[in-house]
Order: sequence, then C-alpha cells, then structure tokens
Amino acid sequence: QQQVKQSPQSLIVQKGGIPIINCAYENTAFDYFPWYQQFPGKGPALLIAIRPDVSEKKEGRFTISFNKSAKQFSLHIMDSQPGDSATYFCAASGSFGNEKLTFGTGTRLTIIP
Amino acid sequence: NAGVTQTPKFQVLKTGQSMTLQCAQDMNHNSMYWYRQDPGMGLRLIYYSASEGTTDKGEVPNGYNVSRLNKREFSLRLESAAPSQTSVYFCASCPGDSRNTEAFFGQGTRLTVV
Repeated sequence: QQQVKQSPQSLIVQKGGIPIINCAYENTAFDYFPWYQQFPGKGPALLIAIRPDVSEKKEGRFTISFNKSAKQFSLHIMDSQPGDSATYFCAASGSFGNEKLTFGTGTRLTIIP
Repeated sequence: NAGVTQTPKFQVLKTGQSMTLQCAQDMNHNSMYWYRQDPGMGLRLIYYSASEGTTDKGEVPNGYNVSRLNKREFSLRLESAAPSQTSVYFCASCPGDSRNTEAFFGQGTRLTVV
C-alpha cells in the first residue's frame, strides 16, 4: 500500500514561476518529512526537511508547508530556474531509531526558459 | 570523502543468473538501506540494516538477500534474477541517531535482466 501519495506526476513551469508539489501521508506515526531532489543519472539528495512542530520551513528559494491536521505537506520553489529541473520526491519516516524512509512516487519538474 | 559508493554502475544479467550489488559508506553511519527505483513507483525499500549485525525486510524483499558485512558495507544479492528485477538500485546510509536523520544515497546501479 502506498503510504505517501505525491502529485502531480509531472510539472512544466516557466522560469520565474512557482511550482508546487503536494504530498499526503496516512501514517500518523510519521514525524519527519524530507524532500529529495534527483538529477538524471544521480542518486537522490536531501533538499529540505520539516518536522511537525512547525507549519513552514524555508531554505533559500525552497519552502515546505506542512498541515498536520490534513496530513499533507507541499514543496514550493520560488523564482524557479532551469537548473531546478529534476525529479522531486517527498518522503516520510518515523521516530528516532526508525528512520527508514517511505517515498512518494516522484514529480518530474521541467522549468522552461 | 566518497560518501556512499556502489558497484557496479551498470549490469546486464540473463534470467536465472545471480549477482551481488556492493555498497560501502565512509561516514561511520549506523543505518544502511537498499531501495529500487522504477518509473512511476518512486523508491521502494528492499531491505535495511539499522546497525551492524542486523537486517530487516522492507516493502519489496522477495527475490533478494542482504548481508551487513561490517559497519561500512551492505551488499544486496539476487540469487536467480528475473526480468521483474530490472530496475535502478540505490544504496543509502543514515547516521541512525536522534540528532540527524538525513539519508545519503549512492549513484545507483542500473540493472537489466534479459
């Protein structure tokens, strides 16, 4: 069963636009929600992560919004650039000592000049 | 600092052949993982090892075995490869402590079973 649902599957945005990728989870034991970025031929790399004690986290142009009651979280990319074109995965994991990540199905993002 | 190193990078197997995918990390991490990545399905956990000497099944363990050889190395074995195991395999490691839960991934092994 898929415990983390991610949408959309693909997204095309013009440079400077704000792509938004959404994820929803089912397991209320999850308390760590990272986003990973993957370029072709490479392994995923951590982009930004949030824990449920805050509703928003910003790092540079990347923002995670978190809604604990709805069990949803999303990634926003401000002032998107062609170099942001990649596949983005949301993920979730449990408490300390049980860090195995459950991933969403991924979003292929293309930023057109 | 190499991080997580996987070998080989590419492999073609015939149905029924066996092989071992190697993974080593130099970050002194406690936890290690094997994922497979398939189009439209994200990354699915095959097996993981929370610490040296322990291994546990993940979401899709059938057809695979693992060995946590020591703290650095975690190998994945396909005893009798099947076309359904055609995939990109990623090894990852994580500190496995309460302060840092970031997972670091290798570059992947692209496996084709014909």
